[in-house]
Amino acid sequence: AQSVAQPEDQVNVAEGNPLTVKCTYSVSGNPYLFWYVQYPNRGLQFLLKYITGDNLVKGSYGFEAEFNKSQTSFHLKKPSALVSDSALYFCAVRWGDDKIIFGKGTRLHILP
Amino acid sequence: GAGVSQSPSNKVTEKGKDVELRCDPISGHTALYWYRQSLGQGLEFLIYFQGNSAPDKSGLPSDRFSAERTGGSVSTLTIQRTQQEDSAVYLCASSLASGGRTLHFGNGTRLTVT
Repeated sequence: AQSVAQPEDQVNVAEGNPLTVKCTYSVSGNPYLFWYVQYPNRGLQFLLKYITGDNLVKGSYGFEAEFNKSQTSFHLKKPSALVSDSALYFCAVRWGDDKIIFGKGTRLHILP
Repeated sequence: GAGVSQSPSNKVTEKGKDVELRCDPISGHTALYWYRQSLGQGLEFLIYFQGNSAPDKSGLPSDRFSAERTGGSVSTLTIQRTQQEDSAVYLCASSLASGGRTLHFGNGTRLTVT
């Protein structure tokens, strides 16, 4: 069955340190991969996506993610975390029939 | 409008009552998705519409849930005989058919079943 896994419910990072939020997927065919962010009391916002081409994609707010086909992963990264990055992050995958499913989300806490 | 609009923003209902949740997608977006967000459960896929094609209903949790999309635009999610476990935030998203399907989300309807 098609699935998306975010193995960490919560990630804590000190401000200024690099951050990684993990995502792995299991789909048949070639997936489209996405990251979305949900700030407190706000709607879900698109961060970045991978469709094809360069495995490293850059998105909003200095975030980037690397598509790794052999490891079926699409981890979200940022070189230097800000307190304002604290939010709930969702990984999502779309495949052949255009259905899009999401992981359970990872709550990111950036500690001042 | 500029974004996806959902109404009502909050709905409190008694167990056993029917509720209707409305979604107005971005004009020109042919794809429309419904998701349910429960605490600790992430975003659960419910149903997906694309143009005039038959919807993908594979995520609807029971036959108490149904959705329609009229004229390829506005969508209504209906929950019959609501149960307390239906309490959640119901999110609607729309997208273009091209460009990888970047989803634009509404602010959701928070449903509380008492």
